[in-house]
Amino acid sequence: NAGVMQNPRHLVRRRGQEARLRCSPMKGHSHVYWYRQLPEEGLKFMVYLQKENIIDESGMPKERFSAEFPKEGPSILRIQQVVRGDSAAYFCASSPNRGKHEQYFGPGTRLTVT
Amino acid sequence: DQQVKQNSPSLSVQEGRISILNCDYTNSMFDYFLWYKKYPAEGPTFLISISSIKDKNEDGRFTVFLNKSAKHLSLHIVPSQPGDSAVYFCAASADTGNQFYFGTGTSLTVIP
Repeated sequence: NAGVMQNPRHLVRRRGQEARLRCSPMKGHSHVYWYRQLPEEGLKFMVYLQKENIIDESGMPKERFSAEFPKEGPSILRIQQVVRGDSAAYFCASSPNRGKHEQYFGPGTRLTVT
Repeated sequence: DQQVKQNSPSLSVQEGRISILNCDYTNSMFDYFLWYKKYPAEGPTFLISISSIKDKNEDGRFTVFLNKSAKHLSLHIVPSQPGDSAVYFCAASADTGNQFYFGTGTSLTVIP
């Protein structure tokens, strides 16, 4: 019974390149959340998706960032033209339903922009 | 705008004693609260939750207390064990919201 899986665990990109972060939710979970953790800070919500739908992207920067959760395959968080300030740990969480349920987190992807 | 605050960045406790981690929030619409535990290089792991209709929830060594009038919750760990050493995050959500708001975390060290 695999938990939430994220890959890669570590990603290094030069300024201006694209970063693609993948998240496979727990089996049976159709709700996916992306969070970002900057150094010395808590987790900040970015986006909430269900299969093929973005439900809430209020925490995601308007430019360069996008997310998807296709019918088949993992959820993808895409950052175009990365800058040094994008360096952070990106966590994906999943839940079986919307609402008052705990979210189960993956191990995170640590993005470093050089 | 930090709606969930953990004002103690770190806490050290002797093994066997009680650990008390505190969390304050500002949004009166929050009605569901959770505590997560995080080890380095891992994702947060759910520990315990509480709904605003309760003021206490207990699960083994872990108890969460909620004081709605003070907008304050706390996590008690009794007895503390060295394996409890980790960063603890509190999180809150509102009934109408889709996201959890996280505090900045408290690093707990349990000294053998």
